Amino acid sequence: GESVGLHLPTLSVQEGDNSIINCAYSNSASDYFIWYKQESGKGPQFIIDIRSNMDKRQGQRVTVLLNKTVKHLSLQIAATQPGDSAVYFCAETADNYGQNFVFGPGTRLSVLP
Amino acid sequence: ETGVTQSPTHLIKTRGQQVTLRCSSQSGHNTVSWYQQALGQGPQFIFQYYREEENGRGNFPPRFSGLQFPNYSSELNVNALELDDSALYLCASSRDTRQFFGPGTRLTVL
Repeated sequence: GESVGLHLPTLSVQEGDNSIINCAYSNSASDYFIWYKQESGKGPQFIIDIRSNMDKRQGQRVTVLLNKTVKHLSLQIAATQPGDSAVYFCAETADNYGQNFVFGPGTRLSVLP
Repeated sequence: ETGVTQSPTHLIKTRGQQVTLRCSSQSGHNTVSWYQQALGQGPQFIFQYYREEENGRGNFPPRFSGLQFPNYSSELNVNALELDDSALYLCASSRDTRQFFGPGTRLTVL
């Protein structure tokens, strides 16, 4: 399996501020990426995806940016709310059929009142 | 909610036993992928089933096996359980590359 860190990075933001969660991926052949949100005791929840032929994609309150040159992905959450508190994972795959997604180690987002 | 369901929610087994976990995919989805998520880590890909055939496998030993049924539901079987198999087991269903996860089964091996 892939190597992942045991210590989860944490990002604390004030309610109403914007959040930026970063992810570095390792496989230059990866061409499809998904951001997931995982709340305690639940399965990962799909947030937004992006293909490698795009640099940016926007959803409701979320934006994903992809920089293929430095193999970096970011998730921006606008006007962060308490309900956004969770662990966020990026996932990458180089497979056209969506096999073998490789997940990053995750970032814990804490929204402060 | 994604429409992906898993059973049971929690399970406790002892080392050496065998376990079967079940997953019902979202309506219209013909592909099921299984992941293992250890505490504090991201999910790791076990294997994927498409139209009842294994369609890709991660770095897991043969004692991890699976099935997919004509209605696209799926089972994950783990033989000769080891302590390190304790984890949250997730299934994800998809019709294309976009995967949607179920709530998971928490397996504890004593």
